[in-house]
Amino acid sequence: DGGITQSPKYLFRKEGQNVTLSCEQNLNHDAMYWYRQDPGQGLRLIYYSQIVNDFQKGDIAEGYSVSREKKESFPLTVTSAQKNPTAFYLCASSRPEFGGAYNEQFFGPGTRLTVL
Amino acid sequence: KNQVEQSPQSLIILEGKNCTLQCNYTVSPFSNLRWYKQDTGRGPVSLTIMTFSENTKSNGRYTATLDADTKQSSLHITASQLSDSASYICVVIVTGGGNKLTFGTGTQLKVEL
Repeated sequence: DGGITQSPKYLFRKEGQNVTLSCEQNLNHDAMYWYRQDPGQGLRLIYYSQIVNDFQKGDIAEGYSVSREKKESFPLTVTSAQKNPTAFYLCASSRPEFGGAYNEQFFGPGTRLTVL
Repeated sequence: KNQVEQSPQSLIILEGKNCTLQCNYTVSPFSNLRWYKQDTGRGPVSLTIMTFSENTKSNGRYTATLDADTKQSSLHITASQLSDSASYICVVIVTGGGNKLTFGTGTQLKVEL
């Protein structure tokens, strides 16, 4: 899993609750990403951060929030505003994009979130 | 319509046999294409990375090909093993897109005895 850890592996949430998914990396990568994976669909980008204290919305940011206070950490909060949060969540990291052509994203092991 | 289409959706083969997975994409401008292997309940792991100028790239028993003119790529697995059972995901990266990836839906491969 390339030095990226996610916790917990499984998470159960009651409707109306906010939950925070942890992502930590020791690869000294500047860029970090959050994806959502649903059955039969490709991974979709939620948020990404290219540097500490800065982040941008991805394709499906509604109902999610992030912070990037430390280079190693990029936690994702799934808020009660996210109407269909049950999914597999993947965190990734990469070196800065200098031209962008060859930077590889390394993925964590994922967190499976289930709303009860 | 997904900009990265993979086929077949699923595939079952016998151990020791070869197989080829297909990826067609419409994403542009194209920067590079990657194949990832994802075991059930785990994160994807990179197998190959190819720029538009590369036609083929190998990683052990995995060989990826790319035809940038027809926007097609394939992943060939030789002498399959039980551990090859996984989802194989084709990913296309857009030039200047902030390293954003466009993912295919994957081919689910099962290798049986």
